[in-house]
Amino acid sequence: DTEVTQTPKHLVMGMTNKKSLKCEQHMGHRAMYWYKQKAKKPPELMFVYSYEKLSINESVPSRFSPECPNSSLLNLHLHALQPEDSALYLCASSHSGDLTEAFFGQGTRLTVV
Amino acid sequence: AQSVSQHNHHVILSEAASLELGCNYSYGGTVNLFWYVQYPGQHLQLLLKYFSGDPLVKGIKGFEAEFIKSKFSFNLRKPSVQWSDTAEYFCAVNARRDDKIIFGKGTRLHILP
Repeated sequence: DTEVTQTPKHLVMGMTNKKSLKCEQHMGHRAMYWYKQKAKKPPELMFVYSYEKLSINESVPSRFSPECPNSSLLNLHLHALQPEDSALYLCASSHSGDLTEAFFGQGTRLTVV
Repeated sequence: AQSVSQHNHHVILSEAASLELGCNYSYGGTVNLFWYVQYPGQHLQLLLKYFSGDPLVKGIKGFEAEFIKSKFSFNLRKPSVQWSDTAEYFCAVNARRDDKIIFGKGTRLHILP
């Protein structure tokens, strides 16, 4: 199984809503990532979890809150988002250490209205 | 901190033309290098990777890339492109023992049938 599965595929939410994005992998990877990708732009790193601990936070606003309940799951909790947060949110996983190669999920296309 | 620059933002070629996309990285230490492809409406897929060893690496779909350490470069090549190669191509770098994977701005490749 070389898949990273993200749910939902699409999400529309209001600025006062609370929602969560989910990501799952069963490759035994110990590093998991959240990236944000706007149209015609490269993926921008948001968070990295290594061995279930938050290792990198790229100065992401607190309205985005990541969570890693176990080594296979990664969540991104969303609260009080702005329309400019509309984007494709990508989850990825990799082995941690020297041979980091990220496998990406299909993404969740988020629209904030 | 590591960074990546891609020289060509938009490339238009005819089928059967040869392709070379430039990628330069900035980092003083040992790196892992990647090329990812994103077909329209699809998720990121790994084309090829360089960790160590032979600096000429072959990937999927006839792509190859050459790591030139002295030039901090990792250019992507394909001898004869096909219409189905129309996609966005991202170069990415990861510093060894750092879980961060940073993407270049991407090159949009359009192949004319």
